[in-house]
This record gives sequence, C-alpha cells and structure tokens, in this order.
Amino acid sequence: GQQLNQSPQSMFIQEGEDVSMNCTSSSIFNTWLWYKQDPGEGPVLLIALYKAGELTSNGRLTAQFGITRKDSFLNISASIPSDVGIYFCAGQRYNNNDMRFGAGTRLTVKP
Amino acid sequence: GAVVSQHPSWVICKSGTSVKIECRSLDFQATTMFWYRQFPKQSLMLMATSNEGSKATYEQGVEKDKFLINHASLTLSTLTVTSAHPEDSSFYICSARVRREKLFFGSGTQLSVL
Repeated sequence: GQQLNQSPQSMFIQEGEDVSMNCTSSSIFNTWLWYKQDPGEGPVLLIALYKAGELTSNGRLTAQFGITRKDSFLNISASIPSDVGIYFCAGQRYNNNDMRFGAGTRLTVKP
Repeated sequence: GAVVSQHPSWVICKSGTSVKIECRSLDFQATTMFWYRQFPKQSLMLMATSNEGSKATYEQGVEKDKFLINHASLTLSTLTVTSAHPEDSSFYICSARVRREKLFFGSGTQLSVL
C-alpha cells in the first residue's frame, strides 16, 4: 500500500539545535501520529493529532495536523543527545484498520 | 500509555524450525492487533491484521501458511514463523489499537535464522 512521504530521511545536528520533519500524502487522513523508535525497540507514541489544524505539544516536541489533512510536521526544540533515534509519522483513516507509515527520519545529535 | 508486551525480544533458530512470537495487551483488551516486519533502516511493513476469534487478514504478498497468526483471546495474539529460512530473519513488531485510533507497539522481536 501507499506509504507516506516523510522527509528528511536523516538529519545530523548539534545539541541544542531545533529540528523539523514532515510527512505528506496524496490522500486525506483523519488521524496523524508521530512515533520514535530506538534501536532494537518498538516505536513509542509521541503525539497524536485528530483535527485539521491541530497543534499539540509534548514537552520539547510540537506537531501539527495540516489544514488540508494531507500533511503533518514534527518539531523538536533544543535537541539533546537522547533525542537520537528514528522518527516515524503515521496516518490513519476512520473506520479503517489500515495505518500507513512514513519511511522514517533518522536523527543524530552531536553533543 | 497502554502497554503491549512482546516476547521473545530476540530469537536465534536453525533453518527449518518454527518460531512463535507472542504479543499481549497488558492493561486493555485488544480485538485487533497488527503484525509488522521491519528491515534494517526501513519503515514498518504491515504483514497482517489479527482479529480476535476470526481469521487474520494478510497483506498482499505475505504467505499465510508461512506466517501463522492466532488471536485466541482479547489480550493475546501469536505469530508463528513456520519452517523458517535465513530470508525470514528480520525485526518483527506487533501493535494493538486503543481508543481514538492510537496504536501502541510491542518492543519487537529480532529473529535470526541460521
């Protein structure tokens, strides 16, 4: 099935810098979720978005549900070394068990 | 958040043997669970949807006789990789849906087939 278009694929940043990543799709989604995956672990839910235009924060993380319902972005402010990992976006439609994932953004934070 | 427990975390087996992976929802009931496969540096690929009390729904290209799924209770789904071969080596992850479309994942199982 169609995957979401997630960018960038990877980022190398200095500790303290802000990070931004996004996901786009040609289809409308009713729910957008952002996950973080550490090596050898399953993804952990960071933020869930349910309404177009919704802006939600979780500590230093902020995510927004695009107005068109075809995109979402995730920002991380003042990055720290433990932010290292792979971040995945996921889109879900109502009454549909199918959840689509982006290819992931691999984040490296240099101390 | 909801807890999904997956076991084992890793398994090494000989080619031709079968391996069972368990996925449990610890503090909620899950009528639907999902099984994914993930190759290194790649995203999660949905293999099948596990439905409690009924047959699993497999994605196109996934062999149902190869990857047996059983969802016998509201808190347990199992994936059995039958007659495993080296090409089946991968990271397998389960997930379960909680309210409002939130999906929680198990910690994954790294399968290595020698």
